[in-house]
Amino acid sequence: DMKVTQMPRYLIKRMGENVLLECGQDMSHETMYWYRQDPGLGLQLIYISYDVDSNSEGDIPKGYRVSRKKREHFSLILDSAKTNQTSVYFCASRGCSDYTFGSGTRLLVI
Amino acid sequence: QQQVRQSPQSLTVWEGETAILNCSYEDSTFNYFPWYQQFPGEGPALLISIRSVSDKKEDGRFTIFFNKREKKLSLHITDSQPGDSATYFCAAPGYQNFYFGKGTSLTVIP
Repeated sequence: DMKVTQMPRYLIKRMGENVLLECGQDMSHETMYWYRQDPGLGLQLIYISYDVDSNSEGDIPKGYRVSRKKREHFSLILDSAKTNQTSVYFCASRGCSDYTFGSGTRLLVI
Repeated sequence: QQQVRQSPQSLTVWEGETAILNCSYEDSTFNYFPWYQQFPGEGPALLISIRSVSDKKEDGRFTIFFNKREKKLSLHITDSQPGDSATYFCAAPGYQNFYFGKGTSLTVIP
């Protein structure tokens, strides 16, 4: 069963703390993405990964970094989280044509 | 620059009615248009897609109509059900990633 798994589902962090969001896929897809979703703004692209250690900034990369050391695993890191990074974060992988999304991580930064 | 636009932002219909969701795009090189459906608390999931060689794609109660000349698509949901209440995203493939519209939030009232 094709699946993208995100951990954790919910996370509360204090401003200034480091945050690690994890994503795994079981489809051996080369390309993976991180998006954030905020009300009225749709899906905003943070980072793209084309394969292991091959990453590219998306539209809103400021304040984020990523790590991909294995094809099946893609991490999003927030160094010193800010309140405006409160959002729902989605990871996706891309097969031949379409995306498979994870269920999201709901991050609250207080 | 917004490549894909959706309207209306939100739509409410009665059970049994036809819901019509609109999408327009700018880049005439786009040739594939998936629609994603997102339920609250979940990630988007592929619902139906169309290639630009076709002007209509049907899957059960869901139909995409495509007007290549006007660069417009519409998703028709016939006999709408309360379970169809969700946010619907139109997308088009760019070089690196899909361009997503901001979505239409559909509410179906029983």
